[in-house]
Amino acid sequence: EAGVTQFPSHSVIEKGQTVTLRCDPISGHDNLYWYRRVMGKEIKFLLHFVKESKQDESGMPNNRFLAERTGGTYSTLKVQPAELEDSGVYFCASSPLGTGGYNEQFFGPGTRLTVL
Amino acid sequence: QKEVEQDPGPLSVPEGAIVSLNCTYSNSAFQYFMWYRQYSRKGPELLMYTYSSGNKEDGRFTAQVDKSSKYISLFIRDSQPSDSATYLCAILGSARQLTFGSGTQLTVLP
Repeated sequence: EAGVTQFPSHSVIEKGQTVTLRCDPISGHDNLYWYRRVMGKEIKFLLHFVKESKQDESGMPNNRFLAERTGGTYSTLKVQPAELEDSGVYFCASSPLGTGGYNEQFFGPGTRLTVL
Repeated sequence: QKEVEQDPGPLSVPEGAIVSLNCTYSNSAFQYFMWYRQYSRKGPELLMYTYSSGNKEDGRFTAQVDKSSKYISLFIRDSQPSDSATYLCAILGSARQLTFGSGTQLTVLP
């Protein structure tokens, strides 16, 4: 079974440009999460989709970030316009929709974003 | 104050040593306690999780949680060079989002 995939693996853009990151979760996983790690800091939660609905977007830093999950399959995270402080590694994770207890979040390899 | 504090390391040990990795947390509402391992240029991979105070063992790895002191630990016995990675503690609350520690980079020298 394929794991969580993310594209691109690395993106280098200039300040003010737009970048779109893509995440393909494990097939059948209704929960999809975005996290990011900026230099020297811990991995932080950005938002959580259940199917195509945003369940929790409390971690989104500002309105330059837009996440979508049309059709409840893959998700995109757009940064427009990008700023220097957006540089970091963006991780996507997915998990099945459970009835309770803990459902493991499986992480993708991340997209390394560098804003110059 | 951060919700999860992790001993930053880095840690360098000889092969065969016992490794102890530690985190503290501040929110009593946290429900599940995890340890993730992350190799360079890869995503975090779940090693173990637990939801109650006490010990949980899986091979050479033991996770320990003390809810009264809000302290979690991971012990690695007979450490191997292949254990060299960054270890992240993470905690799950009712909102289902993971709160991570900053990670400890471990190097096991052959």
